[in-house]
Amino acid sequence: SYVLTQTPSMSVAPGQTAKITCGGHNIGSKSVHWYQQKPGQAPILIIYYNSDRPSGIPERFSGSNSGNTATLTISRVEAGDEADFYCQVWNSTPDHHVVFGGGTKLTVL
Amino acid sequence: QVQLVESGGGVVQPGRSLRLSCVASGFTFSRYAMHWVRQVPGKGLDWVALISSDGSLKFYADSVKGRFTISRDNSKNTLYLQMNNLRAEDTAVYYCAKDLFENGGSYFDSWGQGTLVTASS
Repeated sequence: SYVLTQTPSMSVAPGQTAKITCGGHNIGSKSVHWYQQKPGQAPILIIYYNSDRPSGIPERFSGSNSGNTATLTISRVEAGDEADFYCQVWNSTPDHHVVFGGGTKLTVL
Repeated sequence: QVQLVESGGGVVQPGRSLRLSCVASGFTFSRYAMHWVRQVPGKGLDWVALISSDGSLKFYADSVKGRFTISRDNSKNTLYLQMNNLRAEDTAVYYCAKDLFENGGSYFDSWGQGTLVTASS
């Protein structure tokens, strides 16, 4: 089955840039979506189709996808960005199913 | 706006059954695929099942195949998850989530707030 690998945790100072990666075999050939989840809340979609942002998501959030790594970039990190972040793809072989990465906990110092 | 409200969670003994419901509003429910996603408290997201907009297509995670059944009633704007032969490892918060497309294959653009299922003796 297809596996997505994320670094479990990372820390960044306010105002700096956070790069959260999602590794998978030839993930560049897939569409990657990203979710943010704060404690006690449901996840929300922050990036879809690798780099598109839903309305209401700040431009500080951006995404890219190439080769074996997809990346979520958060520029000018704020204290309110502290959360868990998950990448997700749809895998259709050998069986149709959704795959999530294990999640990255972002701590703002 | 889109609203998804889950219910039916609770404490159940291992081996027993439970049925979850998710009532949808704010969009044309019959046009979109729906999913169940679960999360063990403190752990990551784990996809459970998908049903197409008309109910003709259903896909399951290997961990629940043969025990869980996803279904929907478009006349009631409601999604269901019938969980049989529950195991301790099924303990989690269960979310319903809306797909972008009618047959799935995309992302989740809306989520409910979740309902907690605890399988414990």
